[in-house]
Amino acid sequence: SQKIEQNSEALNIQEGKTATLTCNYTNYSPAYLQWYRQDPGRGPVFLLLIRENEKEKRKERLKVTFDTTLKQSLFHITASQPADSATYLCALGGGSQGNLIFGKGTKLSVKP
Amino acid sequence: EAGVVQSPRYKIIEKKQPVAFWCNPISGHNTLYWYLQNLGQGPELLIRYENEEAVDDSQLPKDRFSAERLKGVDSTLKIQPAELGDSAVYLCASSSRGGGYNEQFFGPGTRLTVL
Repeated sequence: SQKIEQNSEALNIQEGKTATLTCNYTNYSPAYLQWYRQDPGRGPVFLLLIRENEKEKRKERLKVTFDTTLKQSLFHITASQPADSATYLCALGGGSQGNLIFGKGTKLSVKP
Repeated sequence: EAGVVQSPRYKIIEKKQPVAFWCNPISGHNTLYWYLQNLGQGPELLIRYENEEAVDDSQLPKDRFSAERLKGVDSTLKIQPAELGDSAVYLCASSSRGGGYNEQFFGPGTRLTVL
């Protein structure tokens, strides 16, 4: 069955450092991958989408890579700030139904 | 422009009671999704609508869950009867089109507690 793993449940880093979150998947060949941010008590908010034929996508301090050989996506936040503290979800898409399959998320905490 | 609206935000019920959740998507969005999110987990799709048609309800437990999207705008998700294991957050999302390439806009969710 399809499986998505986000490298850790929690990641703690110091303000100003680069946060790197990992999303690995098996038994799936997604056409694209999306990253969302979720704050406590709120719904997820879309951040970035990357297609299978794209290696890298950037948006301000965010960078996403997609390696279909390794079946892995990396999500980077450079110059991290305490306001970046949240849970980040990766989601795979492109199956026959066109729906998204979400990972469990990684809770990022940025300490001042 | 208003985002996805859900109500109620919180609901506490006794097991075996019925419960209903309401969602109003972003204006003009044809695709509407209902997700279930357990604590520490990602959202899991229950049902997807394209306009008023349920195009994927394969993960909806049809013995107790039902949904409707009359007139292709707002939607209602119902559980009858509720069980203890139904305690979770129920999220509604919408997108301009289906197919997944489009970003999904989520509502704040309804937190259901079944006692």
